[in-house]
Amino acid sequence: EVQLVESGGGLVQPGRSLRLSCTASGFSFGDYPISWVRQAPGKGLERVGFIRSKAYGGTAEYAASVKGRFTISRDDSISIAYLQMNSLKTEDTAVYYCTRDRVHCGGGSCYSSRFDYWGQGTLVTVSS
Amino acid sequence: DIQMTQSPSSLSASVGDRVTITCQASQDINIYLNWYQQKPGKAPKLLIYDASNLETGVPSRFSGSGSGTDFTFTISSLQPEDIATYYCQQYNNLPLTFGGGTKVEIK
Repeated sequence: EVQLVESGGGLVQPGRSLRLSCTASGFSFGDYPISWVRQAPGKGLERVGFIRSKAYGGTAEYAASVKGRFTISRDDSISIAYLQMNSLKTEDTAVYYCTRDRVHCGGGSCYSSRFDYWGQGTLVTVSS
Repeated sequence: DIQMTQSPSSLSASVGDRVTITCQASQDINIYLNWYQQKPGKAPKLLIYDASNLETGVPSRFSGSGSGTDFTFTISSLQPEDIATYYCQQYNNLPLTFGGGTKVEIK
């Protein structure tokens, strides 16, 4: 059974840092891209970034709203993906989900197409 | 960025009704569109991918259609367990973007 479990959320002051973890099981973790998708209270969904599998270069890309502040990494040996969040702002308050993605290749690049499994989410609250 | 516009933002229907949600893309996205269901307090769940393909295990009362800029999601016979918010999502271009969601309630 595919499972994704997020951890590391909590209350943090603006300007501080937090690292989320996504622990995966039930599939060959290294073969899949992983995304982080967030949902502010009462709002819609926003993908903050994703990391490709090593087969596609292992590189990460980010939403404009978090670029330069957030970093996604992965350790395939222990099936964990990380979201390092620096310089947090109040508007980063949200439930953060990690997802297992399927790959789409087109226009000379390969990236996530759909999010076929989701974790349960972890709440990050940025407040003084 | 590609903007995804869903309508309506909410709807109320009776059990057994046919429910239709539309999603319009700001530019041509071929068939590169997915639909998700999010029940209250839960993570989203993939229902439809590539505009019309049913994800494994998803009931056949759910369906999707469309291509280009206009897409439709249909529940053929609304059930009480279908109460949720539904989102469309495009992957024609990065960044992947979601529609604003449609909240479905029972009348």
